[in-house]
Amino acid sequence: QKEVEQNSGPLSVPEGAIASLNCTYSDRVSQSFFWYRQYSGKSPELIMSIYSNGDKEDGRFTAQLNKASQYVSLLIRDSQPSDSATYLCAVNRVTGGGNKLTFGTGTQLKVEL
Amino acid sequence: DGGITQSPKYLFRKEGQNVTLSCEQNLNHDAMYWYRQDPGQGLRLIYYSQIVNDFQKGDIAEGYSVSREKKESFPLTVTSAQKNPTAFYLCASSPGTNSYQPQHFGDGTRLSIL
Repeated sequence: QKEVEQNSGPLSVPEGAIASLNCTYSDRVSQSFFWYRQYSGKSPELIMSIYSNGDKEDGRFTAQLNKASQYVSLLIRDSQPSDSATYLCAVNRVTGGGNKLTFGTGTQLKVEL
Repeated sequence: DGGITQSPKYLFRKEGQNVTLSCEQNLNHDAMYWYRQDPGQGLRLIYYSQIVNDFQKGDIAEGYSVSREKKESFPLTVTSAQKNPTAFYLCASSPGTNSYQPQHFGDGTRLSIL
């Protein structure tokens, strides 16, 4: 089992719809979870972080965390063509050498006109 | 402007050659990281450093070396022992090693074999 799993997609949604991106993780002691957006050929950009169970909203983005189910998701409301990108889920892991992030392989989102 | 600067943007390596990728940050961050990204794969951790003059191997350190002589700088050397170096290399930093502190990335360096 991979440490962080995401559906690679592509996930296609029409403009104005809600895009739902999902991520599961294997390490039960993980404490912090991050969503990064990566445009083709560019570096990842942090868009959301979440640490507690429940929902966290920031503009059109909502992150949802369920630690019991080891599941974190990202909802994008009113999807725009500019949201077309790969979304990377990253999960903190605590090791003897300090805190490190493990990344999923990303879900490609396509927002169609 | 505060940020993370990686150079060069593109780099070509000849067989048997070592090459060094630069990463500089002016964010006063303690922790710095190097990742490698291959097409269709997530980011894989090469090395990381939590304080000056100290660094730890990540998941794929073989064929790479780093130094952290200054807080602002964390160069990565891709040695000739790395047989498949073609990838997108990303440097990141975070304020510290607290698990709640996210990492922020530079623009990356694309390394190719000549």
